[in-house]
Amino acid sequence: GENVEQHPSTLSVQEGDSAVIKCTYSDSASNYFPWYKQELGKRPQLIIDIRSNVGEKKDQRIAVTLNKTAKHFSLHITETQPEDSAVYFCAPDTGRRALTFGSGTRLQVQP
Amino acid sequence: GAVVSQHPSWVICKSGTSVKIECRSLDFQATTMFWYRQFPKQSLMLMATSNEGSKATYEQGVEKDKFLINHASLTLSTLTVTSAHPEDSSFYICSASIGGGGTEAFFGQGTRLTVV
Repeated sequence: GENVEQHPSTLSVQEGDSAVIKCTYSDSASNYFPWYKQELGKRPQLIIDIRSNVGEKKDQRIAVTLNKTAKHFSLHITETQPEDSAVYFCAPDTGRRALTFGSGTRLQVQP
Repeated sequence: GAVVSQHPSWVICKSGTSVKIECRSLDFQATTMFWYRQFPKQSLMLMATSNEGSKATYEQGVEKDKFLINHASLTLSTLTVTSAHPEDSSFYICSASIGGGGTEAFFGQGTRLTVV
């Protein structure tokens, strides 16, 4: 199966600063790399994803970078806002089985 | 995006009773749905894969006789927690994808189960 490690487990930043969360995976067959945001008591929601034929993808303040050789991908949030406070999960996907989620990163954006 | 609806959103039950949780794909057909359990401040842990028209596949350590899964139609999967105990108290959440593996997963709202 897939071993997924996510760092850091908690991250506190000042509003306006950048935040970076890293996800390392083990299965080289992974070809889809999503990041999910989960607010307290709510369902996870996809915020950005990338496929293995692309190295970077950006959507406004959010970006994801992928290093397939090193088997890791990262979530980048710039100009953080209080509403970015949530738990973020990576879930590298081979397309052949259920998702294996990272352990999660609790992001706190201080106003 | 696609909509997955889960019901109930919360339930309190007495020890020894059973609770049924429903997961519906509202605007697409899902031959496969997944059931996860999430304890406070932890990640989502896969419990089982629900396959329409066939038996569910359970993850190691998940008791299939305790967590009964039925996927009788392409839009509905149910999870029944039988003979619930306080340690079964958790956040249960289902998911499905329109395009199958390798595509965006859509999650139900989750069900917070409290066993007293």
